[in-house]
Amino acid sequence: RKEVEQDPGPFNVPEGATVAFNCTYSNSASQSFFWYRQDCRKEPKLLMSVYSSGNEDGRFTAQLNRASQYISLLIRDSKLSDSATYLCVPEPLRGAGSYQLTFGKGTKLSVIP
Amino acid sequence: NAGVMQNPRHLVRRRGQEARLRCSPMKGHSHVYWYRQLPEEGLKFMVYLQKENIIDESGMPKERFSAEFPKEGPSILRIQQVVRGDSAAYFCASSPGTGEPQYFGAGTRLSVL
Repeated sequence: RKEVEQDPGPFNVPEGATVAFNCTYSNSASQSFFWYRQDCRKEPKLLMSVYSSGNEDGRFTAQLNRASQYISLLIRDSKLSDSATYLCVPEPLRGAGSYQLTFGKGTKLSVIP
Repeated sequence: NAGVMQNPRHLVRRRGQEARLRCSPMKGHSHVYWYRQLPEEGLKFMVYLQKENIIDESGMPKERFSAEFPKEGPSILRIQQVVRGDSAAYFCASSPGTGEPQYFGAGTRLSVL
């Protein structure tokens, strides 16, 4: 079973719309996550970290639901520049001897004029 | 504060040649990670290094691939006797410590003819 699962999309939304992505995870021991975004043929860029209390940064809000084992990312007032692939990444478990980030294929978002 | 620097950005090699990819971590970061991304796939972890030490190379192919992070200078990912299947984007990331968010360089796109 994959560590995280995301709807690959694409999500095609008009400018100004609100869009939400979910990411489900299998390891109940996971404590926190990262949302990265990756533009076509570019490097992943850290968007935000997500802990149990959630996180908000401007138009972006992330929540962690431990009971249902999913993480959400909400983008309000979508901009054309938000078009990218969004990747949900579990933070490596401390003390587990694992340091690698595990990336899936992410969710592709296209914001349309 | 300069980000993670990778060079070259693009590298073309013929089958059987050697490829050397370089990565300088962000200032203050002593942890370096290498990932590979094939077209239409997610990033796959290859190796994690600290200065002069390979901590985790579980994602590295057993043959032809090697990595180092010397006391002075950048981290090097070396691929000997390249084959067409080595064509990919190779991303380097750095972090200030274990479990901290990883920040990525712009990557090196290797094309094997």
